[in-house]
Amino acid sequence: GAGVSQSPSNKVTEKGKDVELRCDPISGHTALYWYRQRLGQGLEFLIYFQGNSAPDKSGLPSDRFSAERTGESVSTLTIQRTQQEDSAVYLCASSLPEAGVTKNIQYFGAGTRLSVL
Amino acid sequence: QQQVKQSPQSLIVQKGGISIINCAYENTAFDYFPWYQQFPGKGPALLIAIRPDVSEKKEGRFTISFNKSAKQFSLHIMDSQPGDSATYFCAANKGSARQLTFGSGTQLTVLP
Repeated sequence: GAGVSQSPSNKVTEKGKDVELRCDPISGHTALYWYRQRLGQGLEFLIYFQGNSAPDKSGLPSDRFSAERTGESVSTLTIQRTQQEDSAVYLCASSLPEAGVTKNIQYFGAGTRLSVL
Repeated sequence: QQQVKQSPQSLIVQKGGISIINCAYENTAFDYFPWYQQFPGKGPALLIAIRPDVSEKKEGRFTISFNKSAKQFSLHIMDSQPGDSATYFCAANKGSARQLTFGSGTQLTVLP
């Protein structure tokens, strides 16, 4: 079946502009995560959605960052008034609702590479 | 605060050799330790994972060794192949928290 799909694959924007990044999770995956990957670094957790529960926003670096999710499907990550330090690859992942033996296997999309000029 | 420290940052191994990547963690509440493999232009993909109740897990050429008392775990790639050339990330997760805490990554190059 289809994996996690992210769009656009690349985004170049000017400092101060707003950007929206989109994630389509794997069908049936109620959990959805956004991570940021700066060049040469590991992944930083941003936000987590689980079904209709309140999202865990503890990783969002500033109030310029926000994310929404429509039910258990598409999610958008919005960065307002972009800054050069926002340049990174933004990765989305999804996982099944049950942990159990296969605890927390997260399936990642290919990411959106954001460049802020 | 970096909760999972990974080393080395880069590693070059000859074909057929053993690749070893190490991670150390600080939070004793972590109870799940996966390794992810990432090829250029792709998202990370789960390679192998371990829970702290076992000291070793092997899947094909890939083995995780886990030392709970030292709060360390490592990935061993036996008979390394050029196709294994990728970036490897260790990660950890605790209890009910769903997000993963990642190490900084190791870029592995296997020479033919």
